[in-house]
Amino acid sequence: AQSVTQLGSHVSVSEGALVLLRCNYSSSVPPYLFWYVQYPNQGLQLLLKYTTGATLVKGINGFEAEFKKSETSFHLTKPSAHMSDAAEYFCAVITSGTYKYIFGTGTRLKVLA
Amino acid sequence: EAQVTQNPRYLITVTGKKLTVTCSQNMNHEYMSWYRQDPGLGLRQIYYSMNVEVTDKGDVPEGYKVSRKEKRNFPLILESPSPNQTSLYFCASSLEGGAGSPLHFGNGTRLTVT
Repeated sequence: AQSVTQLGSHVSVSEGALVLLRCNYSSSVPPYLFWYVQYPNQGLQLLLKYTTGATLVKGINGFEAEFKKSETSFHLTKPSAHMSDAAEYFCAVITSGTYKYIFGTGTRLKVLA
Repeated sequence: EAQVTQNPRYLITVTGKKLTVTCSQNMNHEYMSWYRQDPGLGLRQIYYSMNVEVTDKGDVPEGYKVSRKEKRNFPLILESPSPNQTSLYFCASSLEGGAGSPLHFGNGTRLTVT
């Protein structure tokens, strides 16, 4: 069965510091992986996705994530945090041929001035 | 503009009073699904639909019904709402589920059942 674990329900960083949000997945077959961002009172928006090919994926707003099969991880990073990055971030997984997207429990990012 | 539209945005109701939350997408997507979001639990899938007249249960289907009579619409029905269904609900669609297509989300419906 698929599962997603996001370590840290709350993460705080200073403006300009590195952002690292952790996501580990469990899947018996190669997964498709996604990161979504949710701003207050809004739906989720796609940040980036990994399907096949290059393991380092670049997304919107300067975010990127690296698929590491050996570590079953898909951590999200951004070199320099901006105040506008404050939001909740969700990692999600789905495997080919299935129809269930599995989401992590989310990480709320706070950016300190 | 490509979008998923949910209505209403906010809904307060009483236990046992049937309600429907509508969801419509204008992207000709095959796949649609419903999620509920609760603090500390993330998003949990309620039901999904692979195409017209094809639906299946997600992880938390109890107390909910869905139908997919047209490709663009996927309403969520609570026949007899209970307080434990108080939650934030999201509808989402994708070009084709299971093939790595990303989900497009509506803006959510906050439901309170008293």
